[in-house]
Amino acid sequence: GAGVSQSPSNKVTEKGKDVELRCDPISGHTALYWYRQSLGQGLEFLIYFQGNSAPDKSGLPSDRFSAERTGGSVSTLTIQRTQQEDSAVYLCASSGQGAYNEQFFGPGTRLTVL
Amino acid sequence: GNSVTQMEGPVTLSEEAFLTINCTYTATGYPSLFWYVQYPGEGLQLLLKATKADDKGSNKGFEATYRKETTSFHLEKGSVQVSDSAVYFCALVVFQGAQKLVFGQGTRLTINP
Repeated sequence: GAGVSQSPSNKVTEKGKDVELRCDPISGHTALYWYRQSLGQGLEFLIYFQGNSAPDKSGLPSDRFSAERTGGSVSTLTIQRTQQEDSAVYLCASSGQGAYNEQFFGPGTRLTVL
Repeated sequence: GNSVTQMEGPVTLSEEAFLTINCTYTATGYPSLFWYVQYPGEGLQLLLKATKADDKGSNKGFEATYRKETTSFHLEKGSVQVSDSAVYFCALVVFQGAQKLVFGQGTRLTINP
């Protein structure tokens, strides 16, 4: 497809379980971002990838959160031992190289932790 | 630090009314400023942007002017339509390595026919 895709679109899990969220960026986009949209915190940055490396992980809320990117393309955000406060919509965005390039957002994954 | 403060919502207007959604920012360095829109059931998309002081971004009848002296980037539209109903986010980027967006809290706009 032409846009950023994310899967699953919805995920319901039980507290304490691990979850993996996937992002497929636009082909050729070298930069990839994860954000979280929650009722209490609004839209907040989590992590940034340039290629396969993550030079900025400053937004990850705890060590239960991790992310990786392989082949300069697909990225996976993993949340271990999920908590109810992890419930949110997780958004992925990608952009091209160079000084400000528009970030294109995926539709998001809605995570509900029971 | 970098932050964005947006007009509290929700905002409800009648069709053809004039719209203003206020946005002010605090930033280290020289930010670029953006308005993003999230239509019901859709993903976040860029509405308009301005990359330096006094620039005006415009799209779909919406406008916003980058005012460095008042650190503001207010969104305006002269005559809103029902199809403009959405959540609007003001955001900034300061280029310090990662071009991470810092968002305001969002303003839900509802336009009644």
